[in-house]
Amino acid sequence: NAGVTQTPKFRVLKTGQSMTLLCAQDMNHEYMYWYRQDPGMGLRLIHYSVGEGTTAKGEVPDGYNVSRLKKQNFLLGLESAAPSQTSVYFCASMRETQYFGPGTRLLVL
Amino acid sequence: DAKTTQPPSMDCAEGRAANLPCNHSTISGNEYVYWYRQIHSQGPQYIIHGLKNNETNEMASLIITEDRKSSTLILPHATLRDTAVYYCIVRVPSSNSGYALNFGKGTSLLVTP
Repeated sequence: NAGVTQTPKFRVLKTGQSMTLLCAQDMNHEYMYWYRQDPGMGLRLIHYSVGEGTTAKGEVPDGYNVSRLKKQNFLLGLESAAPSQTSVYFCASMRETQYFGPGTRLLVL
Repeated sequence: DAKTTQPPSMDCAEGRAANLPCNHSTISGNEYVYWYRQIHSQGPQYIIHGLKNNETNEMASLIITEDRKSSTLILPHATLRDTAVYYCIVRVPSSNSGYALNFGKGTSLLVTP
């Protein structure tokens, strides 16, 4: 039981490039989330999903898209990366409480 | 969700109890108090939650005042590995925002030898 895993752990992008962050959970949870965390700040919700095939916007959704084609996977996409998207991205899944992944560190130059 | 107020930082000597306060004076009757912590560079970790009764688990104890306007997280015997940022979050488990958590800035706890 790996819990919540995130791929990749670290990535450097140039402005305008695109990429997809993968979150996978093996706990059969319905709810999944993507957060970002900037230095000295708490986590802010980007998008979330309440089940396979559903997604919804969180607090800071602009510049990101998500998909939940399979229950165990929640993908976060950046179509055209900007330096303001440099951050640490955390994925979480939930039953009664939220379980977080180890994070993906993204640097956009 | 109700707003929470936590001190930005606290120190605690190793082996002593760490008492982390949280003020949530606008909490409503059906909102729970959750505590998470984030050790440097890692994903947040669930610690404990409660509604109005005091709660205890293998990690910590949660003391909620009778009027529910404040709470205290207690780490009974702090270790160096408890150095982390601790987040107090108040929310309704069945809200329409998908149960998402509203993280503030938390309390940075430093446990010293």
